[in-house]
Amino acid sequence: NAGVMQNPRHLVRRRGQEARLRCSPMKGHSHVYWYRQLPEEGLKFMVYLQKENIIDESGMPKERFSAEFPKEGPSILRIQQVVRGDSAAYFCASSRAGGIDYNNEQFFGPGTRLTVL
Amino acid sequence: KNEVEQSPQNLTAQEGEFITINCSYSVGISALHWLQQHPGGGIVSLFMLSSGKKKHGRLIATINIQEKHSSLHITASHPRDSAVYICAVGNQFYFGTGTSLTVIP
Repeated sequence: NAGVMQNPRHLVRRRGQEARLRCSPMKGHSHVYWYRQLPEEGLKFMVYLQKENIIDESGMPKERFSAEFPKEGPSILRIQQVVRGDSAAYFCASSRAGGIDYNNEQFFGPGTRLTVL
Repeated sequence: KNEVEQSPQNLTAQEGEFITINCSYSVGISALHWLQQHPGGGIVSLFMLSSGKKKHGRLIATINIQEKHSSLHITASHPRDSAVYICAVGNQFYFGTGTSLTVIP
């Protein structure tokens, strides 16, 4: 049973380009969470999705960031017109059922390290 | 004020020492997670607990819901335990800033 997979592991973009980060949850998991870890800072929640639905996006920046989790295929975190401040490690986690407060263990992917030049 | 406070921020221990990391939170929760982030960046979920105590190998986690406090203990610490330990709580997924542990041989 493969774990949570993220790709690419490293992504370099120039300012103004788009970044697409992909997350494939563990088999049987229908809940996906995206977190961001800025350099020298702690993890911050961004968005929580269930298949085809955004459940909680309270941690997402209001502009340029979007996330989806389609019926088929991986979850995508999309950052448009990247800026240097977007450089960070982006982690995805998945769980079988919902939310950290619903007693469901989250399994983390290896992360995507985004560097904006 | 952060919703989740961890202490200490940094901890250096000699191999074999008993280690305690503390987490206090201000939001109402039904579960708390302890995570381990390795030097390479990967994150592993160590424990999810809502009451009492859980044990896994040399790791023990306790939680007191009334006092809004949890502790992570490592017995007989080893250099491979060197990592950042993070507690996380709540529907809004609040994270502590982490405790960076270094175990010296």
